Amino acid sequence: AQTVTQSQPEMSVQEAETVTLSCTYDTSENNYYLFWYKQPPSRQMILVIRQEAYKQQNATENRFSVNFQKAAKSFSLKISDSQLGDTAMYFCAIPPEGGGADGLTFGKGTHLIIQP
Amino acid sequence: DTEVTQTPKHLVMGMTNKKSLKCEQHMGHRAMYWYKQKAKKPPELMFVYSYEKLSINESVPSRFSPECPNSSLLNLHLHALQPEDSALYLCASSHQAGAKYEQYFGPGTRLTVT
Repeated sequence: AQTVTQSQPEMSVQEAETVTLSCTYDTSENNYYLFWYKQPPSRQMILVIRQEAYKQQNATENRFSVNFQKAAKSFSLKISDSQLGDTAMYFCAIPPEGGGADGLTFGKGTHLIIQP
Repeated sequence: DTEVTQTPKHLVMGMTNKKSLKCEQHMGHRAMYWYKQKAKKPPELMFVYSYEKLSINESVPSRFSPECPNSSLLNLHLHALQPEDSALYLCASSHQAGAKYEQYFGPGTRLTVT
């Protein structure tokens, strides 16, 4: 069975700082995707960034980037120049094994607080 | 357009009531999902529909009954719920079910069972 581990239940940084959220996972798949989702307080869960495992280049989306280490099964999210609007729960997720119909496997989440 | 809509936003119901949650997407996605989420916890999968057929039912109690009338619409019928069923119910969709596709989430219905 797949597992996703986020070891930081909560993090707090000052506005404009850079913060890195960690995620490790286990899967039997060789080609797969990895996702980071953001869920602000009482707001919608949105996809922040996606990484394709067969691509060596780390994905970037504006201030968000990942450090993907396939051999170590590590997929951390770096947020540069953090903003108050980045305050949210962040979930690392991996799609189902075997290409079957199933839900995402989520980590337990990291509650990120950006302080003014 | 990557929008998944859900109605109602909030719902308060008694343990003897019958209510329904609605989810809609117009992205042409062929997989739709119901998740249950407690505060500061990850979503937990309840049901998966792939091409309008129920393919996953995660041992959810029968007081939750899903329905997929067409490829754009997903309902969750609720009956005789318990207070512990109070949670945020999230609908999601993806292009197809499977490992390559990200899921897009709706804003959720916050359900309170009294």
